Amino acid sequence: NAGVTQTPKFRVLKTGQSMTLLCAQDMNHEYMYWYRQDPGMGLRLIHYSVGEGTTAKGEVPDGYNVSRLKKQNFLLGLESAAPSQTSVYFCASNRGYNEQFFGPGTRLTVL
Amino acid sequence: AQSVTQLDSQVPVFEEAPVELRCNYSSSVSVYLFWYVQYPNQGLQLLLKYLSGSTLVKGINGFEAEFNKSQTSFHLRKPSVHISDTAEYFCAVSADGGSQGNLIFGKGTKLSVKP
Repeated sequence: NAGVTQTPKFRVLKTGQSMTLLCAQDMNHEYMYWYRQDPGMGLRLIHYSVGEGTTAKGEVPDGYNVSRLKKQNFLLGLESAAPSQTSVYFCASNRGYNEQFFGPGTRLTVL
Repeated sequence: AQSVTQLDSQVPVFEEAPVELRCNYSSSVSVYLFWYVQYPNQGLQLLLKYLSGSTLVKGINGFEAEFNKSQTSFHLRKPSVHISDTAEYFCAVSADGGSQGNLIFGKGTKLSVKP
């Protein structure tokens, strides 16, 4: 099993550009999450999904959109990137109350 | 609402010395508790978890943690650290009593093990 994978690993954008980050999991987990990690801030939840076709806002959802068209995939979109969105993005998944499994992360720089 | 406080942002320690990384949480409902480790430029990996039962939980790499409900703490300990334990450690608590799987993370503690 590959676990949780994220595409791409690195990306540099210019202000105003758009992009989509892809998260895939092969563990048949119902729940999936997108976090951002910034120095000294820990992990902050952007959006999450409790099942195929469902999404919900987390702590810092502004400027991001998500979609969960297939159970195994969770997409994070930035419609108009801003320098404040420079961060490391992590995807995670789980079955609910138990531990979350994390992907390797995507390092995004917005110039 | 739940919250997590990691009391130390950085902990320097010499190799083979014991270490304790402190974590306190606040919650009005039953909680599940987790410690994760993040090595440089990697994702988070589960060290150990408390769901129920024994309050002393043993994890990977010789780490253990004790759930103390009265003090709302879940401190992480290791009796003798190695250089390879240098990493950032995150404490997390289940949100909403674990009903939706969300976790609330602390801001992290950077453990630096020196020779």
